[in-house]
Amino acid sequence: ETGVTQTPRHLVMGMTNKKSLKCEQHLGHNAMYWYKQSAKKPLELMFVYNFKEQTENNSVPSRFSPECPNSSHLFLHLHTLQPEDSALYLCASSQDQGRETQYFGPGTRLLVL
Amino acid sequence: AQSVTQLDSQVPVFEEAPVELRCNYSSSVSVYLFWYVQYPNQGLQLLLKYLSGSTLVKGINGFEAEFNKSQTSFHLRKPSVHISDTAEYFCAVSLGPGNTGKLIFGQGTTLQVKP
Repeated sequence: ETGVTQTPRHLVMGMTNKKSLKCEQHLGHNAMYWYKQSAKKPLELMFVYNFKEQTENNSVPSRFSPECPNSSHLFLHLHTLQPEDSALYLCASSQDQGRETQYFGPGTRLLVL
Repeated sequence: AQSVTQLDSQVPVFEEAPVELRCNYSSSVSVYLFWYVQYPNQGLQLLLKYLSGSTLVKGINGFEAEFNKSQTSFHLRKPSVHISDTAEYFCAVSLGPGNTGKLIFGQGTTLQVKP
């Protein structure tokens, strides 16, 4: 499998649930990113990891908890979310942080009830 | 701070007609510029990018864009569109060399190609 994959593609969860989103890149990249895409709003960068270290947290609420066990995998752990957190969550990777081209996965469509 | 403005939220066009999707940015430093396309239920795919050099950049699927520094614009063009070009198009900027990798996106333009 090539490129950037994300699972699950769709997720429905209640506000008290705990779930995780998974991203895997098969490109040999060292930097990985989480973005949030809400309706009628520009994509928002959430987190950046470079060589497994978190280098940017864009003021994301603590109910979102990222994890990067290695350069190929990135997780987003979700707990006690709010309905306004419903969105498309996109993962991306690039060769290194600061390299110009980011490659995106298909996203996870999240609905919080 | 950097920002990106896509001037049209929706652009309807007939098949085989030319199209231009407009993008303006603001930045006090040099930037890299990108156009991404998002087809329904898919992630973002890079169409083209400007890093330096020639201001006319050619991308995939017959698209091209021109960097205009004086007007701080990076408009996307295609001389003849197809039904399959119907999608959401995003303009984005990032800072130049040594940047943090942060991409700043515009709000997107929906291109609707009609038969």
